Amino acid sequence: GAGVSQSPSNKVTEKGKDVELRCDPISGHTALYWYRQSLGQGLEFLIYFQGNSAPDKSGLPSDRFSAERTGGSVSTLTIQRTQQEDSAVYLCASSIDRVYTEAFFGQGTRLTVV
Amino acid sequence: GQQLNQSPQSMFIQEGEDVSMNCTSSSIFNTWLWYKQDPGEGPVLLIALYKAGELTSNGRLTAQFGITRKDSFLNISASIPSDVGIYFCAGHSGAGSYQLTFGKGTKLSVIP
Repeated sequence: GAGVSQSPSNKVTEKGKDVELRCDPISGHTALYWYRQSLGQGLEFLIYFQGNSAPDKSGLPSDRFSAERTGGSVSTLTIQRTQQEDSAVYLCASSIDRVYTEAFFGQGTRLTVV
Repeated sequence: GQQLNQSPQSMFIQEGEDVSMNCTSSSIFNTWLWYKQDPGEGPVLLIALYKAGELTSNGRLTAQFGITRKDSFLNISASIPSDVGIYFCAGHSGAGSYQLTFGKGTKLSVIP
């Protein structure tokens, strides 16, 4: 498709389980962002990928969170041993590169930890 | 980390009125972006600003990149019901890290 695609759109998981969230960026976009949005709140930066450079992981809230980007395209955000406070909408965005930073967002994955 | 102060937090206006919201930062930004988010959707990019002093329009929306590079505003003219939503400013400092920093949003309600 033409836009950023995220899957699943909704995920309900039990506390303590691991989850994987997927992001397919816009074709040709070298920069990819993950953000977290809690109910009624703003966007919290998690991690940024740019081409083959080392990712900026400065926003990851704990070592239970990790992300990878394979082949410079698809990205997976993994949350291990999920906690109830991890419940939020996880948003992925991509942009052409680090200069043209107009970031386009997917619709997000709503994660609910029960 | 960097923070953006966005105001107002919320506003209620009559249909047809003009709206203004702004964003300020304690540090210089090289890029300002304005987004609108509808319930259950991801943010949608409205306007991107790359030069200090730049004034850009997109239909009824106008945004400006402040001369000091520490602020930006967004105006909506002749508001309509579909303008309802949350508007976010975002900035990119270009100082080593390329993360986009977001404001906390302005929730706009339009009374028909």
